[in-house]
Amino acid sequence: GEDVEQSPFLSVREGDSSVINCTYTDSSSTYLYWYKQEPGAGLQLLTYIFSNMDMKQDQRLTVLLNKKDKHLSLRIADTQTGDSAIYFCAAKDDNDYKLSFGAGTTVTVRA
Amino acid sequence: DVKVTQSSRYLVKRTGEKVFLECVQDMDHENMFWYRQDPGLGLRLIYFSYDVKMKEKGDIPEGYSVSREKKERFSLILESASTNQTSMYLCASSYGQGGLYEQFFGPGTRLTVL
Repeated sequence: GEDVEQSPFLSVREGDSSVINCTYTDSSSTYLYWYKQEPGAGLQLLTYIFSNMDMKQDQRLTVLLNKKDKHLSLRIADTQTGDSAIYFCAAKDDNDYKLSFGAGTTVTVRA
Repeated sequence: DVKVTQSSRYLVKRTGEKVFLECVQDMDHENMFWYRQDPGLGLRLIYFSYDVKMKEKGDIPEGYSVSREKKERFSLILESASTNQTSMYLCASSYGQGGLYEQFFGPGTRLTVL
């Protein structure tokens, strides 16, 4: 099956940009997602990108996709304390029901 | 708003007990999923169902079974709970197979097996 890997932790100062990285192995992955999990809660979809795109911007969030290297990143501009959470990268191919999730990156925002 | 609800937020059971975790979604989604979440391991798929009475094994089905008698409800069953099944269990639902279909998650059930 698909392997999706992420760094486990990221610490960032409030107001700085955060960059969370993810790599995946299956080149047939058509859809790539970023989910956010706040403490004590389930996962919520933050954003997604199609594999035929290089970049997607949504307010403070920028997703970059390097399909050749199978590398996905999520940049959060002007990081706030409310951005402290676990961020999961996930991949899915077009014919599948299932998502393959990374292990998650715990982002801690310090004052 | 899509709602996925899980029957309990916290559950404490004893080794050997039969445990039922219930999940209900209100958006008429075909697909439902059970994951377990462990630190450092992320989300691992236990079972999923793409229709009533249909089920497919995920990556870690051993020690678990599932039931889907109605479209909106998906149950995870631990036939004989063991301490290594102590974990956070997340249910999710989605519509369709191919395409960009978001999975909507419930709040999770934290199960402790003593």
